Order: sequence, then structure tokens, then C-alpha cells
Amino acid sequence: EVQLVQSGAEVKKPGESLKISCKTSGYSFTSYWIGWVRQMPGKGLEWMGIIYPGDSDTRYSPSFQGQVTISADKSISTAYLQWSSLKASDTAMYYCARRRGCSGGSCWGNWFDPWGQGTLVTVSS
Amino acid sequence: QTVVTQEPSFSVSPGGTVTLTCGLSSGSVSTSYHPSWYQQTPGQAPRTLIYSTNTRSSGVPDRFSGSILGNKAALTITGAQADDESDYYCVLYMGSGISVFGGGTKLTVL
Repeated sequence: EVQLVQSGAEVKKPGESLKISCKTSGYSFTSYWIGWVRQMPGKGLEWMGIIYPGDSDTRYSPSFQGQVTISADKSISTAYLQWSSLKASDTAMYYCARRRGCSGGSCWGNWFDPWGQGTLVTVSS
Repeated sequence: QTVVTQEPSFSVSPGGTVTLTCGLSSGSVSTSYHPSWYQQTPGQAPRTLIYSTNTRSSGVPDRFSGSILGNKAALTITGAQADDESDYYCVLYMGSGISVFGGGTKLTVL
């Protein structure tokens, strides 16, 4: 069974750094892209970016480029989302999801499944 | 930046049929955008309903169907049930690895 299990809720102060994780199992970690999605309180889903753990190729939404860093550790089949200096506006639920429909450099589809359970990040002074 | 548009809200009667759409602020949606659809209920992670325009994800009831209608992607629910009351999001692929979510549609079944 393919599973994505995310790290627990975090409460941080503005200016602090943070790295949340998405541990995967049940499939070849290096063969699928992993994506991150933000959901601010009461708002919709926002696509942040993806990483291909096989070669660490990373793509970011223009809205999130430079604001976060996506990384992966092949040795433990885990993807990460990190901030160097959190802001109150980073308060949100963050989801990881496996991207489907692509192999190597070609895509015949583009969807996200399954999803992690989400990590709630609260940034408050 | 391209905006993906969805109806903010929609209402359907139990047993009725509703079609939610997913468009672009500029241009038409085609199968090349690989539209996918997700259902999210409060407090839960999204669930994949439809991918590659019209393929139902495993375990999704056949009352959910996807298509291209005119210049938009569409999600049709035929015979709506009370537990279909959820938020629905589409995703379009913009190329170069970039995807964009629509703003979501809040569906009420009453």
C-alpha cells in the first residue's frame, strides 16, 4: 500500500526556521515526483512545487519560489518542505502528495495521489 | 500568471445532477492540460476523483464523471447524494512541471 505520512503539527514564532517531512512507503521513492500544497485557514488549495527524488529536480510555483525549499532524502524515502524565516502568513495546513502520470522526462498525465494527512503549521508571536 | 477559474459555490438537490467547471482566465482548457479533480471535506486531506480529464480514480463511484465541455474541464455528479457536499478543486498542468489549482467550488446538497 502506498502511504505518505507527514510530520506532526508545529507552532513557531516569526523569524524561526522550520522543516516538515513527508515519509513515503510502498513504492519506488525515486521514480515519482512528490508535490507540496498549501491550504491557508478557510481558503483553497495552492500548488507550491514538486521534487523528483531520483535526481532532485525541483520546480516551484512562481508564488512560492524563493519563499520555501523543497528537498528529498532518498535514503529514507522522505520529502521535505522548509522555511528559513517564517512569517505569520505561513500559518496553514500543508499537504504532500505523490504526482502521477509522469515517467522520466515525459508526462502523459498529471495528478496527485495519494495524499499525506497534512501538517498544520502555526506561526504566532 | 494564469488563473484557473471555478464557480465559488453551487447547489444541487439530492438525486439531481450538477456540473462544475474549470476554466482559464485566458484561453481554453483541453486534454493537454491533463485536468484532474479532487474532493475535500472539512478537516480532511483531498481525495482524488478524476484524472486525465475523465478517468475515475480507484474506488470513486460512477456518478462522478469528467469531460471537456466547450472551453472548460467539467466534473459532473449524477444523482447527487448528501455526502457529496464538499469542496471540489480542479488542477491544470501548465507545462514545465507546474500545476495550478482552481479556487475551488463549495457544493451544497439540499
